[in-house]
Amino acid sequence: GNSVTQMEGPVTLSEEAFLTINCTYTATGYPSLFWYVQYPGEGLQLLLKATKADDKGSNKGFEATYRKETTSFHLEKGSVQVSDSAVYFCALSPTGGGNKLTFGTGTQLKVEL
Amino acid sequence: GAVVSQHPSRVICKSGTSVKIECRSLDFQATTMFWYRQFPKQSLMLMATSNEGSKATYEQGVEKDKFLINHASLTLSTLTVTSAHPEDSSFYICSAREGHTDTQYFGPGTRLTVL
Repeated sequence: GNSVTQMEGPVTLSEEAFLTINCTYTATGYPSLFWYVQYPGEGLQLLLKATKADDKGSNKGFEATYRKETTSFHLEKGSVQVSDSAVYFCALSPTGGGNKLTFGTGTQLKVEL
Repeated sequence: GAVVSQHPSRVICKSGTSVKIECRSLDFQATTMFWYRQFPKQSLMLMATSNEGSKATYEQGVEKDKFLINHASLTLSTLTVTSAHPEDSSFYICSAREGHTDTQYFGPGTRLTVL
């Protein structure tokens, strides 16, 4: 079946540090890949997505590249801010799967001054 | 941007009672809505998929008679937790998809506590 594996958190960084949150997936075919962010007390928001191999999704300084050869979709940001503190979820939607999302377990990011 | 609302945001009920949670797409027509359950510090687990005007499709292990889903219009889906018990306490989240796009827009969630 389909699955998404994320690095465990929490990840604690100082402001302006470089961020990487690893995500790998298992799926047949060519799934769409997503990163969602959940700020404290709020619902999930789509952060970025990529729908085919080698696509790069980007938003708000975050980016992730769809790597089919390594089945990965790692999230990166060059300089994090305190306001980036949240839980980040990697997810996939399988090809022809009716848009059903499979989520990773989430990675909590804490950014400190 | 697309907005999805949920009501109520928090609900506390006694064991044995039923609770209804509403999910609304505010500025688009949602042909498909999804209901998820999120346990503390865990990921979202898909419970069911509902298409407007048809019966919901439940994931394996989800009791359809306990978690009643109705998607009567293109902007509203409801989840009713029947005869709720403490183990049903959780964070319930809905999402909505417009047409055949691959992007789901999530509601803010409903915290259910069953005493």
